[in-house]
Amino acid sequence: DAGITQSPRHKVTETGTPVTLRCHQTENHRYMYWYRQDPGHGLRLIHYSYGVKDTDKGEVSDGYSVSRSKTEDFLLTLESATSSQTSVYFCAISGDTDTQYFGPGTRLTVL
Amino acid sequence: AQTVTQSQPEMSVQEAETVTLSCTYDTSESNYYLFWYKQPPSRQMILVIRQEAYKQQNATENRFSVNFQKAAKSFSLKISDSQLGDTAMYFCAFLTLSSNTGKLIFGQGTTLQVKP
Repeated sequence: DAGITQSPRHKVTETGTPVTLRCHQTENHRYMYWYRQDPGHGLRLIHYSYGVKDTDKGEVSDGYSVSRSKTEDFLLTLESATSSQTSVYFCAISGDTDTQYFGPGTRLTVL
Repeated sequence: AQTVTQSQPEMSVQEAETVTLSCTYDTSESNYYLFWYKQPPSRQMILVIRQEAYKQQNATENRFSVNFQKAAKSFSLKISDSQLGDTAMYFCAFLTLSSNTGKLIFGQGTTLQVKP
Protein backbone atom coordinates (compact mmCIF):
# COMPACT_ATOMS: atom_id res chain seq x y z
CA ASP A 1 0.00 0.00 0.00
CA ALA A 2 1.12 3.50 -0.78
CA GLY A 3 2.20 5.41 2.33
CA ILE A 4 -0.56 7.98 2.63
CA THR A 5 -2.11 9.19 5.83
CA GLN A 6 -4.83 11.75 6.44
CA SER A 7 -5.57 13.65 9.61
CA PRO A 8 -7.90 13.98 11.28
CA ARG A 9 -9.93 10.92 10.26
CA HIS A 10 -13.13 12.38 11.66
CA LYS A 11 -14.07 15.93 12.49
CA VAL A 12 -17.21 17.71 13.59
CA THR A 13 -17.20 21.48 13.39
CA GLU A 14 -19.58 24.40 13.33
CA THR A 15 -20.60 26.62 10.46
CA GLY A 16 -18.25 29.54 9.95
CA THR A 17 -15.17 28.01 11.55
CA PRO A 18 -11.96 27.38 9.60
CA VAL A 19 -10.90 23.76 9.13
CA THR A 20 -7.62 22.31 7.89
CA LEU A 21 -7.19 18.74 6.70
CA ARG A 22 -3.75 17.26 6.25
CA CYS A 23 -2.48 14.70 3.79
CA HIS A 24 0.95 13.20 4.39
CA GLN A 25 2.82 10.85 2.04
CA THR A 26 6.04 8.91 2.41
CA GLU A 27 6.37 7.98 -1.29
CA ASN A 28 8.04 11.19 -2.49
CA HIS A 29 5.42 11.44 -5.26
CA ARG A 30 5.20 14.65 -7.21
CA TYR A 31 1.44 14.88 -7.64
CA MET A 32 -1.11 15.19 -4.85
CA TYR A 33 -4.88 15.63 -5.06
CA TRP A 34 -7.84 16.44 -2.86
CA TYR A 35 -11.26 14.97 -3.71
CA ARG A 36 -14.60 15.05 -2.01
CA GLN A 37 -17.09 12.20 -2.10
CA ASP A 38 -20.82 12.78 -1.89
CA PRO A 39 -23.71 10.39 -2.52
CA GLY A 40 -24.66 10.30 -6.20
CA HIS A 41 -21.55 12.20 -7.32
CA GLY A 42 -18.68 9.77 -7.00
CA LEU A 43 -15.45 11.62 -6.26
CA ARG A 44 -14.88 15.16 -7.48
CA LEU A 45 -11.57 16.98 -7.64
CA ILE A 46 -11.18 20.02 -5.38
CA HIS A 47 -7.53 21.03 -5.87
CA TYR A 48 -4.33 19.38 -6.94
CA SER A 49 -0.60 19.98 -6.71
CA TYR A 50 2.11 19.21 -9.25
CA GLY A 51 5.02 20.17 -7.02
CA VAL A 52 6.04 22.15 -3.96
CA LYS A 53 4.20 25.48 -4.02
CA ASP A 54 2.55 24.52 -7.35
CA THR A 55 -1.19 24.06 -7.06
CA ASP A 56 -4.26 24.49 -9.21
CA LYS A 57 -8.04 24.31 -8.97
CA GLY A 58 -10.26 21.37 -9.70
CA GLU A 59 -13.95 21.34 -10.55
CA VAL A 60 -15.33 22.09 -7.04
CA SER A 61 -12.76 24.49 -5.60
CA ASP A 62 -15.03 27.28 -4.30
CA GLY A 63 -14.64 27.70 -0.54
CA TYR A 64 -11.40 25.71 -0.39
CA SER A 65 -7.74 26.60 -0.46
CA VAL A 66 -4.63 24.43 -0.43
CA SER A 67 -0.96 24.71 0.35
CA ARG A 68 2.06 22.53 -0.26
CA SER A 69 5.27 23.73 1.38
CA LYS A 70 6.91 20.29 1.42
CA THR A 71 6.77 17.36 -0.97
CA GLU A 72 5.21 15.14 1.66
CA ASP A 73 2.40 17.38 2.92
CA PHE A 74 -0.67 18.77 1.16
CA LEU A 75 -3.10 20.81 3.26
CA LEU A 76 -6.73 21.51 2.45
CA THR A 77 -8.35 24.48 4.22
CA LEU A 78 -12.01 25.32 4.44
CA GLU A 79 -11.81 29.01 5.10
CA SER A 80 -15.29 29.27 6.63
CA ALA A 81 -16.99 25.91 6.79
CA THR A 82 -20.56 25.55 5.53
CA SER A 83 -23.03 22.68 5.82
CA SER A 84 -22.63 22.00 2.09
CA GLN A 85 -19.01 21.05 2.80
CA THR A 86 -20.09 18.10 4.94
CA SER A 87 -18.50 15.26 3.03
CA VAL A 88 -15.83 12.62 2.97
CA TYR A 89 -12.50 14.01 1.79
CA PHE A 90 -9.86 11.89 0.09
CA CYS A 91 -6.28 12.67 -0.65
CA ALA A 92 -4.53 10.89 -3.53
CA ILE A 93 -0.96 10.75 -4.77
CA SER A 94 0.70 9.90 -8.06
CA GLY A 95 4.29 9.60 -9.17
CA ASP A 96 3.33 10.81 -12.61
CA THR A 97 -0.03 11.83 -14.07
CA ASP A 98 -1.06 8.21 -14.24
CA THR A 99 -2.26 5.90 -11.49
CA GLN A 100 -3.48 7.54 -8.30
CA TYR A 101 -3.42 5.95 -4.87
CA PHE A 102 -5.79 7.11 -2.20
CA GLY A 103 -5.55 7.84 1.50
CA PRO A 104 -8.05 6.48 4.03
CA GLY A 105 -10.34 9.52 3.91
CA THR A 106 -11.58 12.11 6.40
CA ARG A 107 -15.22 12.36 7.34
CA LEU A 108 -16.11 16.00 7.99
CA THR A 109 -19.42 17.09 9.45
CA VAL A 110 -20.30 20.79 9.52
CA LEU A 111 -23.19 21.58 11.88
CA ALA B 1 -15.84 17.48 -21.35
CA GLN B 2 -15.32 13.89 -20.38
CA THR B 3 -18.06 12.00 -18.58
CA VAL B 4 -18.27 8.55 -17.02
CA THR B 5 -21.55 6.71 -16.57
CA GLN B 6 -22.29 3.67 -14.47
CA SER B 7 -25.86 2.70 -15.20
CA GLN B 8 -26.25 0.05 -12.48
CA PRO B 9 -26.59 1.66 -9.04
CA GLU B 10 -26.85 -1.72 -7.29
CA MET B 11 -26.12 -5.32 -8.16
CA SER B 12 -25.97 -8.60 -6.32
CA VAL B 13 -24.35 -11.95 -7.05
CA GLN B 14 -24.13 -15.29 -5.34
CA GLU B 15 -20.81 -16.33 -3.93
CA ALA B 16 -18.62 -18.19 -6.47
CA GLU B 17 -20.56 -16.84 -9.43
CA THR B 18 -19.50 -14.28 -12.04
CA VAL B 19 -20.78 -10.72 -12.28
CA THR B 20 -20.16 -7.91 -14.77
CA LEU B 21 -20.30 -4.21 -13.91
CA SER B 22 -20.90 -1.75 -16.73
CA CYS B 23 -19.21 1.56 -17.47
CA THR B 24 -19.42 3.86 -20.44
CA TYR B 25 -17.54 7.07 -21.01
CA ASP B 26 -17.55 9.97 -23.39
CA THR B 27 -14.44 11.64 -24.69
CA SER B 28 -12.88 13.02 -27.83
CA GLU B 29 -9.41 12.07 -26.64
CA SER B 30 -7.52 9.17 -28.18
CA ASN B 31 -4.96 8.65 -25.43
CA TYR B 32 -6.22 7.98 -21.93
CA TYR B 33 -6.42 5.50 -19.07
CA LEU B 34 -9.38 3.77 -17.50
CA PHE B 35 -9.56 2.42 -13.97
CA TRP B 36 -11.77 0.46 -11.67
CA TYR B 37 -11.56 1.29 -7.98
CA LYS B 38 -13.16 -0.67 -5.16
CA GLN B 39 -14.51 0.97 -2.00
CA PRO B 40 -15.41 -1.53 0.73
CA PRO B 41 -17.31 -0.53 3.89
CA SER B 42 -13.99 0.58 5.38
CA ARG B 43 -14.21 3.48 2.87
CA GLN B 44 -10.68 2.93 1.56
CA MET B 45 -10.38 3.46 -2.21
CA ILE B 46 -8.50 0.50 -3.64
CA LEU B 47 -7.23 0.24 -7.21
CA VAL B 48 -8.59 -2.91 -8.83
CA ILE B 49 -7.42 -2.70 -12.42
CA ARG B 50 -6.05 -0.29 -15.02
CA GLN B 51 -6.34 -0.17 -18.81
CA GLU B 52 -4.33 1.95 -21.22
CA ALA B 53 -6.42 3.03 -24.20
CA TYR B 54 -3.66 2.32 -26.69
CA LYS B 55 -3.52 -1.34 -25.65
CA GLN B 56 -5.96 -3.64 -27.41
CA GLN B 57 -5.46 -6.45 -24.93
CA ASN B 58 -7.87 -6.43 -22.03
CA ALA B 59 -6.29 -6.04 -18.61
CA THR B 60 -6.53 -8.87 -16.08
CA GLU B 61 -5.73 -9.03 -12.38
CA ASN B 62 -6.41 -12.45 -10.88
CA ARG B 63 -10.22 -12.81 -10.69
CA PHE B 64 -10.80 -9.35 -12.16
CA SER B 65 -10.81 -8.64 -15.88
CA VAL B 66 -12.12 -5.93 -18.15
CA ASN B 67 -13.85 -5.85 -21.50
CA PHE B 68 -12.52 -2.70 -23.14
CA GLN B 69 -14.39 -1.66 -26.28
CA LYS B 70 -12.74 1.56 -27.42
CA ALA B 71 -15.01 2.27 -30.36
CA ALA B 72 -18.09 1.79 -28.22
CA LYS B 73 -16.47 3.68 -25.30
CA SER B 74 -17.31 0.85 -22.97
CA PHE B 75 -15.24 -0.48 -20.09
CA SER B 76 -16.91 -3.26 -18.10
CA LEU B 77 -15.47 -5.13 -15.13
CA LYS B 78 -15.93 -8.87 -14.75
CA ILE B 79 -15.47 -10.48 -11.36
CA SER B 80 -15.10 -14.25 -11.49
CA ASP B 81 -15.60 -16.63 -8.57
CA SER B 82 -17.12 -13.83 -6.47
CA GLN B 83 -16.13 -13.77 -2.82
CA LEU B 84 -17.81 -12.19 0.18
CA GLY B 85 -14.89 -9.78 0.41
CA ASP B 86 -15.80 -8.40 -3.00
CA THR B 87 -18.83 -6.70 -1.43
CA ALA B 88 -18.13 -3.02 -2.03
CA MET B 89 -18.92 0.00 -4.13
CA TYR B 90 -17.08 -0.04 -7.45
CA PHE B 91 -16.11 3.12 -9.29
CA CYS B 92 -15.12 3.44 -12.91
CA ALA B 93 -12.74 6.32 -13.62
CA PHE B 94 -11.27 8.01 -16.67
CA LEU B 95 -7.99 9.88 -16.93
CA THR B 96 -6.94 11.92 -19.93
CA LEU B 97 -3.28 12.43 -20.66
CA SER B 98 -3.76 15.60 -22.66
CA SER B 99 -3.96 18.03 -19.75
CA ASN B 100 -0.92 16.73 -17.85
CA THR B 101 -2.73 17.22 -14.54
CA GLY B 102 -3.84 13.69 -13.77
CA LYS B 103 -7.45 14.66 -13.15
CA LEU B 104 -9.61 11.57 -12.64
CA ILE B 105 -13.24 11.65 -13.72
CA PHE B 106 -15.36 9.22 -11.71
CA GLY B 107 -18.66 7.54 -12.37
CA GLN B 108 -21.34 7.53 -9.69
CA GLY B 109 -20.49 4.02 -8.55
CA THR B 110 -22.14 0.59 -8.45
CA THR B 111 -22.83 -1.09 -5.12
CA LEU B 112 -22.13 -4.80 -5.35
CA GLN B 113 -23.35 -7.25 -2.75
CA VAL B 114 -22.01 -10.79 -2.75
CA LYS B 115 -24.46 -13.17 -1.09
CA PRO B 116 -23.46 -16.39 0.65
